[in-house]
Amino acid sequence: DAKTTQPPSMDCAEGRAANLPCNHSTISGNEYVYWYRQIHSQGPQYIIHGLKNNETNEMASLIITEDRKSSTLILPHATLRDTAVYYCIVRVNQAGTALIFGKGTTLSVSS
Amino acid sequence: GAVVSQHPSWVICKSGTSVKIECRSLDFQATTMFWYRQFPKQSLMLMATSNEGSKATYEQGVEKDKFLINHASLTLSTLTVTSAHPEDSSFYICSARDITSGGPTGELFFGEGSRLTVL
Repeated sequence: DAKTTQPPSMDCAEGRAANLPCNHSTISGNEYVYWYRQIHSQGPQYIIHGLKNNETNEMASLIITEDRKSSTLILPHATLRDTAVYYCIVRVNQAGTALIFGKGTTLSVSS
Repeated sequence: GAVVSQHPSWVICKSGTSVKIECRSLDFQATTMFWYRQFPKQSLMLMATSNEGSKATYEQGVEKDKFLINHASLTLSTLTVTSAHPEDSSFYICSARDITSGGPTGELFFGEGSRLTVL
């Protein structure tokens, strides 16, 4: 079973920030938080990952709470192309370890 | 980022035939690749872990004799669906990790997926 809990769906207006929450209250000290998204009929796309510090890249920001029991993915200026299913996954970072997907959050961005 | 390519993107076959799907890492080497399948409106489900030069490890409930996996090189893994039936119709996706990039925190990259329809 997935170790994360995400809301099934969220809506966001184009140009606004999209804040996607994720609960991972049973996360272990050596597990990272990964975010991927899947646009309809495509393979998942890597977004960002982190261990305990907040992270930012060209796609998004990842905010991890101090106790690491939850995190938030922030898309600063959502566009219509950001409409997708977003998956929050916790995983030990070892070479042979797969990503186990939960149900994710369907983000719908509208104009 | 690194590129993982799957072929074919989609395939239609008759019931009882076998279908091979290829997964290639185009610009990196991958000792481990993972195969997933996804039914409509569902999440990705891990089928097996493919290890270069050794036998694949299958998840519980996945028939190893039906879903043959071969990982003959550091850039290629194949999934063969043998004696396909309509219930095998699904979206099959592979992923791979670049063994040389980013140290222990390297992310997994996914292929575009292969849609199999069995008539």
